[in-house]
Amino acid sequence: AQSVAQPEDQVNVAEGNPLTVKCTYSVSGNPYLFWYVQYPNRGLQFLLKYITGDNLVKGSYGFEAEFNKSQTSFHLKKPSALVSDSALYFCAVSAFGNEKLTFGTGTRLTIIP
Amino acid sequence: EAGVAQSPRYKIIEKRQSVAFWCNPISGHATLYWYQQILGQGPKLLIQFQNNGVVDDSQLPKDRFSAERLKGVDSTLKIQPAKLEDSAVYLCASSQGGGQLYGYTFGSGTRLTVV
Repeated sequence: AQSVAQPEDQVNVAEGNPLTVKCTYSVSGNPYLFWYVQYPNRGLQFLLKYITGDNLVKGSYGFEAEFNKSQTSFHLKKPSALVSDSALYFCAVSAFGNEKLTFGTGTRLTIIP
Repeated sequence: EAGVAQSPRYKIIEKRQSVAFWCNPISGHATLYWYQQILGQGPKLLIQFQNNGVVDDSQLPKDRFSAERLKGVDSTLKIQPAKLEDSAVYLCASSQGGGQLYGYTFGSGTRLTVV
């Protein structure tokens, strides 16, 4: 069975500082990894994904994520946080040949002005 | 392009009543998914359709939940009878064939409150 762990329910970062939202995964075979963001009363918005290739993936709104196979991690990062980045962030995984997305429990990111 | 449309946005019902949610995916998207997102949890897949056939419904509580996708376009998710624990946001998503390669687009969801 595939699973995702987001160890931090809440992350607070001062505006302008770098941010990291952590994600580890478990899956049989090669993983497909995703980050989504959810604003209040809105659906999930796609940020970025890792399928294959370069371990550093760049996505929307200046976000990036680094795939680390040995640590089974896919942490989300941004060099300089904005107040507008405050939202709920979900990491998700699927496996090659299986379209099912398994989500983590989410991390609430709050950027402090 | 238009996004994934869902209705209603909000629904409040009493336990043991029935309720139905509607989803219109992006035009041309063959794959459609229904997810349940309980407050404080990540979305959980309930059912996946490929055109009008079911690919995965292993986590659908079939004694009370049902879903259909007639003609491989719109989809309806029904709960009958509803329980208090069904209170959640129900998200519909669609993808152009392989979601892993082409991405998944989510609708805004239907927030169900069972009282």
